[in-house]
Amino acid sequence: EAGVAQSPRYKIIEKRQSVAFWCNPISGHATLYWYQQILGQGPKLLIQFQNNGVVDDSQLPKDRFSAERLKGVDSTLKIQPAKLEDSAVYLCASSSIRGQRSGNTIYFGEGSWLTVV
Amino acid sequence: DAKTTQPPSMDCAEGRAANLPCNHSTISGNEYVYWYRQIHSQGPQYIIHGLKNNETNEMASLIITEDRKSSTLILPHATLRDTAVYYCIVRGRYNNNDMRFGAGTRLTVKP
Repeated sequence: EAGVAQSPRYKIIEKRQSVAFWCNPISGHATLYWYQQILGQGPKLLIQFQNNGVVDDSQLPKDRFSAERLKGVDSTLKIQPAKLEDSAVYLCASSSIRGQRSGNTIYFGEGSWLTVV
Repeated sequence: DAKTTQPPSMDCAEGRAANLPCNHSTISGNEYVYWYRQIHSQGPQYIIHGLKNNETNEMASLIITEDRKSSTLILPHATLRDTAVYYCIVRGRYNNNDMRFGAGTRLTVKP
């Protein structure tokens, strides 16, 4: 079974430029997450989708970050304009529908490394 | 905020068992304990999870105390490739909540 796919793997941009990250979740997974991980810290949730609807975006800096999942499968995360403090790894993750007896394990992609200079 | 407390770092000799503790004293009855690890430059990798019974899979064993306020992840024969940051997380069973990560434990396996 294929895992969560993300691209690009690495990206370097100048501050005030824009960047977009793409994610393809595990087939059949209805829930998709975007996390931000700053060096030395644990991942922090930015946004959670259930199919193509937003479940939680309370920690997404909406003045510069946006995300969409138009057809309930792939997702893109955009940052515009980027700031130096946005330098981080952006992790996409997915899980199956809720309600499973054994819980719904979240599976992560390898991440997209962003450096803002 | 993370609902768990873990030591920031631990060392283990190669070939020996690594026992990683986690305190989750505020865990509620419908919350699972999950363990993930993150090897440098990779995404977090699922290891194991449990509700109240001890669990074992091909990667590790999870021991949960009877009062469920703490747990221990056991890697029975640690190898150099087990060097990573290990995260202990509590998460609701049916509410589809996200994983809230703390700082984790940095395990270093030494030859």
